[in-house]
Amino acid sequence: EDQVTQSPEALRLQEGESSSLNCSYTVSGLRGLFWYRQDPGKGPEFLFTLYSAGEEKEKERLKATLTKKESFLHITAPKPEDSATYLCAVQAYSNYQLIWGAGTKLIIKP
Amino acid sequence: NAGVTQTPKFRVLKTGQSMTLLCAQDMNHEYMYWYRQDPGMGLRLIHYSVGEGTTAKGEVPDGYNVSRLKKQNFLLGLESAAPSQTSVYFCASSYTGSRLAGGPDTQYFGPGTRLTVL
Repeated sequence: EDQVTQSPEALRLQEGESSSLNCSYTVSGLRGLFWYRQDPGKGPEFLFTLYSAGEEKEKERLKATLTKKESFLHITAPKPEDSATYLCAVQAYSNYQLIWGAGTKLIIKP
Repeated sequence: NAGVTQTPKFRVLKTGQSMTLLCAQDMNHEYMYWYRQDPGMGLRLIHYSVGEGTTAKGEVPDGYNVSRLKKQNFLLGLESAAPSQTSVYFCASSYTGSRLAGGPDTQYFGPGTRLTVL
């Protein structure tokens, strides 16, 4: 069964304290892994798509990496405006529907 | 370019009442989706559409119906609302879901509708 697990559920950091969020997945034939950011009361906002193990993508203070079993979202020197819930989803070749994790709520304290 | 829009933003229903949620997109996307989001759970797919005039069931379709009469619109209906349908509903759209397309399948989301059923 295709499955996505995100950890931790919540993460509190001081401004400038770098860390990583984890997305572990099991899927029969990965077509793509997606990262989204969701602010309170808003819809998910697309960040990255990763397609193959070893791939990395960066955007400002965020960098996403992918292995055959998991993906990491690295946050370098975060700012309070990076506070949000980060969602991970996978798509299999056998079924284009996205399977979503429950998300990691990130809080950056000034 | 408004992207994906949803109406209404908030709604309170009594058990047994019916309502329709409207989703509109101006990106000429073929695929459209309806999700629900509940605390502590990932987004769950209710129904989706691969093109005008087509609909299909997702993971949690019971109690919901959909229609896609125009390419840019996707309607979600609740015929007889139940408290278990209290949730936040998101609509999304994408260029394609076909594995033959070869390209990215990024879904773009609307702002959501918060529904409470009493």
